[in-house]
Amino acid sequence: AQSVTQLGSHVSVSEGALVLLRCNYSSSVPPYLFWYVQYPNQGLQLLLKYTSAATLVKGINGFEAEFKKSETSFHLTKPSAHMSDAAEYFCAVSVARGGYSTLTFGKGTMLLVSP
Amino acid sequence: EPEVTQTPSHQVTQMGQEVILRCVPISNHLYFYWYRQILGQKVEFLVSFYNNEISEKSEIFDDQFSVERPDGSNFTLKIRSTKLEDSAMYFCASSEGGGNSPLHFGNGTRLTVT
Repeated sequence: AQSVTQLGSHVSVSEGALVLLRCNYSSSVPPYLFWYVQYPNQGLQLLLKYTSAATLVKGINGFEAEFKKSETSFHLTKPSAHMSDAAEYFCAVSVARGGYSTLTFGKGTMLLVSP
Repeated sequence: EPEVTQTPSHQVTQMGQEVILRCVPISNHLYFYWYRQILGQKVEFLVSFYNNEISEKSEIFDDQFSVERPDGSNFTLKIRSTKLEDSAMYFCASSEGGGNSPLHFGNGTRLTVT
């Protein structure tokens, strides 16, 4: 079975500061990893995904994440936070089962951005 | 960009009543899913659906729950006799297929059971 741990339920940064949201995973087989973002009253939007190609993955809105197998981590970063980045971020792991994948989510990290 | 749509956005029902949550997945997607998020908790997998049958379901998806694809576009989640603890945000998702294809989520239906 797979699992995801997101360290920190809330992360606060100033506008322009580095954003680092931590995610560690557990999986018995090579995983697929995803970051989703949820803005207030909206659904889950895919930010980026790791699918065993490049270990550094670039996503939308200037976010990127690096897959580190030795650390079982997939931390999300952005060099400079913007007010519009304030949202809840979810890391998720999946293992392929035939043609479909079942996502297991972390508890989420709320990113707060102050001026 | 095509998107998954869910209706209604908010549903209030009394305990013991049946509810049907509706979803229109992205048209060329083959795999459909329901997830739920109880307030303050993580997003949890309920069920996956492919080729008109359930592929996988979680422990949460007991006999009170059912899914159906009644026509070529809709995908529904039915809760037969709602309980207070069914109050949650329910998300529908779809994917093209392939283990690494991402899920595309709708905006969710907030179900409140009173």
